[in-house]
Amino acid sequence: DGGITQSPKYLFRKEGQNVTLSCEQNLNHDAMYWYRQDPGQGLRLIYYSQIVNDFQKGDIAEGYSVSREKKESFPLTVTSAQKNPTAFYLCASTPGQGFGTEAFFGQGTRLTVV
Amino acid sequence: QKEVEQDPGPLSVPEGAIVSLNCTYSNSAFQYFMWYRQYSRKGPELLMYTYSSGNKEDGRFTAQVDKSSKYISLFIRDSQPSDSATYLCAMSDDNYGQNFVFGPGTRLSVLP
Repeated sequence: DGGITQSPKYLFRKEGQNVTLSCEQNLNHDAMYWYRQDPGQGLRLIYYSQIVNDFQKGDIAEGYSVSREKKESFPLTVTSAQKNPTAFYLCASTPGQGFGTEAFFGQGTRLTVV
Repeated sequence: QKEVEQDPGPLSVPEGAIVSLNCTYSNSAFQYFMWYRQYSRKGPELLMYTYSSGNKEDGRFTAQVDKSSKYISLFIRDSQPSDSATYLCAMSDDNYGQNFVFGPGTRLSVLP
């Protein structure tokens, strides 16, 4: 079945550590997105990539980094520079730039700082 | 003022009730509107997509857009316990994924 797989489902990070969240899709979608979800707030865009080897900052990119070396993969690294990383992270993909009816979301990764 | 506002709930209704979920927005240029359902600790799934104004119906779900009032609604008829979830609205002035603004979501509980 086609879809988006995020791993791990739960992740714990110590202060000062970098951690990487995985997002893999087998939908042959060109565009991929990373969002952060906090209680009482809407999804906020961290980074997006419309094509392999290219990505753009979203609204809250500080303290995060990404790569897009393969079409199916868009990993997100939460660096030690991110001061409040505890959140639910969601990855999404679309065939092209249009979001509309085409966006698929992964099941999310819950990151907790311990 | 936030760009998109939703009553966070929780909203509790008995099974079979008609549910009304709403979002208000401030950007009059928005013309793409979506409703997502998100179960606890899961990713959002698209329920309804509407372009510009008007109504759209899909089974027990009806989406309404009132651009003059900057107000969108999702109605759920004959609500079921399986409808218990958080409902997110999302909207944009174009269809580019990076420009969509999401509301904070309304948590709905349908009690058997």
